[in-house]
Amino acid sequence: NAGVMQNPRHLVRRRGQEARLRCSPMKGHSHVYWYRQLPEEGLKFMVYLQKENIIDESGMPKERFSAEFPKEGPSILRIQQVVRGDSAAYFCASSRSGSETQYFGPGTRLLVL
Amino acid sequence: EDQVTQSPEALRLQEGESSSLNCSYTVSGLRGLFWYRQDPGKGPEFLFTLYSAGEEKEKERLKATLTKKESFLHITAPKPEDSATYLCAVQANAGNQFYFGTGTSLTVIP
Repeated sequence: NAGVMQNPRHLVRRRGQEARLRCSPMKGHSHVYWYRQLPEEGLKFMVYLQKENIIDESGMPKERFSAEFPKEGPSILRIQQVVRGDSAAYFCASSRSGSETQYFGPGTRLLVL
Repeated sequence: EDQVTQSPEALRLQEGESSSLNCSYTVSGLRGLFWYRQDPGKGPEFLFTLYSAGEEKEKERLKATLTKKESFLHITAPKPEDSATYLCAVQANAGNQFYFGTGTSLTVIP
């Protein structure tokens, strides 16, 4: 049973470009969460989605960041006009409906030059 | 405000030297407390879920316990392969997100 998949694993962007991060949840999981991890800091919640719905985006910056989880295909975290402060590891987690336990993917490490 | 504090920040143990990691939490109604292990460059790997005070879970050399204010991760006779950062997270009744501590970096020396 494949775990949570994220791609790309590493992404380099120049300031002002767009970054698209993809997450495929574990089989049978319909809930997806995105977290950001800065060096020397803990994981910070960004957004919680179910298929075609954003349930909680209280941790998302108001500008430049958006997330979606379409009916078909992976969840996508999109960062427009990236700045150096966006450099971080972005982790996706998934859970089964009715379960609190979240399983994490390997992360995407974004570097903004 | 919901928050999680882990101590110590770093811990060095000799192989076979047992110890405990602490996770103190403040949350408005605990839905669950979670322990993860994270190796460098990888995502957190799930270890345990605890739901209520007095609950204990065990897996190989690890044992997690929970009180109303804190959780302990006990490591018995650790091996070098137990070296990793151990993360604690809580989930409140009112929301879906996890609140993570900054972790304890464990190094086990052969």
